[in-house]
Amino acid sequence: AQKITQTQPGMFVQEKEAVTLDCTYDTSDPSYGLFWYKQPSSGEMIFLIYQGSYDQQNATEGRYSLNFQKARKSANLVISASQLGDSAMYFCAMSRSRLTFGEGTQLTVNP
Amino acid sequence: GAVVSQHPSRVICKSGTSVKIECRSLDFQATTMFWYRQFPKQSLMLMATSNEGSKATYEQGVEKDKFLINHASLTLSTLTVTSAHPEDSSFYICSAVVRDTKGAFFGQGTRLTVV
Repeated sequence: AQKITQTQPGMFVQEKEAVTLDCTYDTSDPSYGLFWYKQPSSGEMIFLIYQGSYDQQNATEGRYSLNFQKARKSANLVISASQLGDSAMYFCAMSRSRLTFGEGTQLTVNP
Repeated sequence: GAVVSQHPSRVICKSGTSVKIECRSLDFQATTMFWYRQFPKQSLMLMATSNEGSKATYEQGVEKDKFLINHASLTLSTLTVTSAHPEDSSFYICSAVVRDTKGAFFGQGTRLTVV
């Protein structure tokens, strides 16, 4: 069975600062993918970044980077230069054939 | 990126009636689609996996006779909530996995309110 844990129900960050959202996972599968999604209040799920279990380098997509520590089974999302529009719920997810989601972290960016 | 369209975005129905939600892949063929349910302030919970041309696979605890899933073509999956009750009020969202790409693409979601 797969399990995703996000221990931060809510996070606050000042505009233009960086923030790290934590995610740990548990799986017995040797091959898996890790994802981060953003869900604004409208409800849509916006794909942010992907990390494969065999990828040697940490994934980056613009202001998003994934701090992948395989031995610790963690896949933290780092958002640099936070913007007001980054305020949303963020979900970490794992997949081998279908997505398993964490509980989410509500990020609030303060002006 | 790939586009998944979900309709309707909002629906209010009376208790006891049925509601159909459509999920379409607009620019690709989706042999597999997933249906999730999300209560306020909670995570997405997988309800079922919809396979084109075959029966859906339901997660434990999801009533297959209440949540009917049909995946009749490679671009359309439907979820019908039968005999809806107020406790079925929730946010329902579908996703499709594109072959040879990473990640799932989600529809816009449907906010169902049963009164």
